[in-house]
Amino acid sequence: AQSVAQPEDQVNVAEGNPLTVKCTYSVSGNPYLFWYVQYPNRGLQFLLKYITGDNLVKGSYGFEAEFNKSQTSFHLKKPSALVSDSALYFCAVREDSGYSTLTFGKGTMLLVSP
Amino acid sequence: NAGVTQTPKFRVLKTGQSMTLLCAQDMNHEYMYWYRQDPGMGLRLIHYSVGEGTTAKGEVPDGYNVSRLKKQNFLLGLESAAPSQTSVYFCASSYARMGEQFFGPGTRLTVL
Repeated sequence: AQSVAQPEDQVNVAEGNPLTVKCTYSVSGNPYLFWYVQYPNRGLQFLLKYITGDNLVKGSYGFEAEFNKSQTSFHLKKPSALVSDSALYFCAVREDSGYSTLTFGKGTMLLVSP
Repeated sequence: NAGVTQTPKFRVLKTGQSMTLLCAQDMNHEYMYWYRQDPGMGLRLIHYSVGEGTTAKGEVPDGYNVSRLKKQNFLLGLESAAPSQTSVYFCASSYARMGEQFFGPGTRLTVL
């Protein structure tokens, strides 16, 4: 069975500092990995995905994520945080098998202080 | 393009009442999904569809039924609502199974 863990319920960072939101996963085969962001009272918005290829994936709003197969991790990063980045972030994974669906983590609240 | 829309946005039901949530997408996507979001539990898949006329169970299907009679619409039904079904419900669609999902704005349902 596939699973994803986001070990931090909340991450606090000052504006202008780099941020990291952690994600680890478990799948039987090769993973497809995603990051989504949710602003208050809104639906989820896609940020980036890893299917295959380069381990460093660049996405929307200056975010990037690094796929690390040996550590089964897919941490979300941004070099310089903005107050407007404050939101709930979800990591998601699915296996590359035909019948697999997306499994979401429990989410990490990112709070960026001015 | 409106993307993914959901109706209604809010609803309050009494235990035992029934209702249908409507999801519509105008992106010609084959795949559609219904999730529920509860505090501290992330999103959990209720049912999904891989094309018009098809449906399949997700992680938490009990107490829900779905139908996909038209490609652009995916309906979620609650036949006899229970307080445990109080949640925020999100619909999503994607062009391909491995593609990113596009989410609707959500329906906040309270069952008293």
